[in-house]
Amino acid sequence: DAGVTQSPTHLIKTRGQHVTLRCSPISGHKSVSWYQQVLGQGPQFIFQYYEKEERGRGNFPDRFSARQFPNYSSELNVNALLLGDSALYLCASSWDRGRSGELFFGEGSRLTVL
Amino acid sequence: DAKTTQPNSMESNEEEPVHLPCNHSTISGTDYIHWYRQLPSQGPEYVIHGLTSNVNNRMASLAIAEDRKSSTLILHRATLRDAAVYYCIRGVSNTGKLIFGQGTTLQVKP
Repeated sequence: DAGVTQSPTHLIKTRGQHVTLRCSPISGHKSVSWYQQVLGQGPQFIFQYYEKEERGRGNFPDRFSARQFPNYSSELNVNALLLGDSALYLCASSWDRGRSGELFFGEGSRLTVL
Repeated sequence: DAKTTQPNSMESNEEEPVHLPCNHSTISGTDYIHWYRQLPSQGPEYVIHGLTSNVNNRMASLAIAEDRKSSTLILHRATLRDAAVYYCIRGVSNTGKLIFGQGTTLQVKP
């Protein structure tokens, strides 16, 4: 069975541009969460979506937005990119809202902002 | 959001037990304690989680202090493949939100 897949794996943008990152959860999983991991630090929670509705939001500016589609895949959008947005963006899926404890992470999309 | 506290790094010898400590003195009574590990260039991988009682699974054991202010992840026999960054994480109650700390980099020596 396929795990969580993310695309693209690597991308380079310049300041002020916009980026869209995509995530396909494990088949049957209805929850998708997004995390940002800056080099040398632990991941930070950005969003959680469950059954296509936003269920949680971390301490990130409004430049960050996301959505979940009817097939439970998800997109993370970041507008007006800053140098500080350079990071590994991780997507995680679970079959419920995460109370079961186990999230399955993808390998991430590494974003470099120049 | 209150984070957990872990040592930056630890070393272990192969085939010996490893005890990874974590302090979470400000955790709320309904937050779960999770452990994930992350290998280079990979996403985090679930290890174990618990609320109050000690927990065992095929990967590890989790010992939670009675006052819930600390916990210890126990790898019973470390292998070279266990070398990774281990995160002790606060799981916000009734949500899927995980609050990661800085993690402990575990080195396993042959």
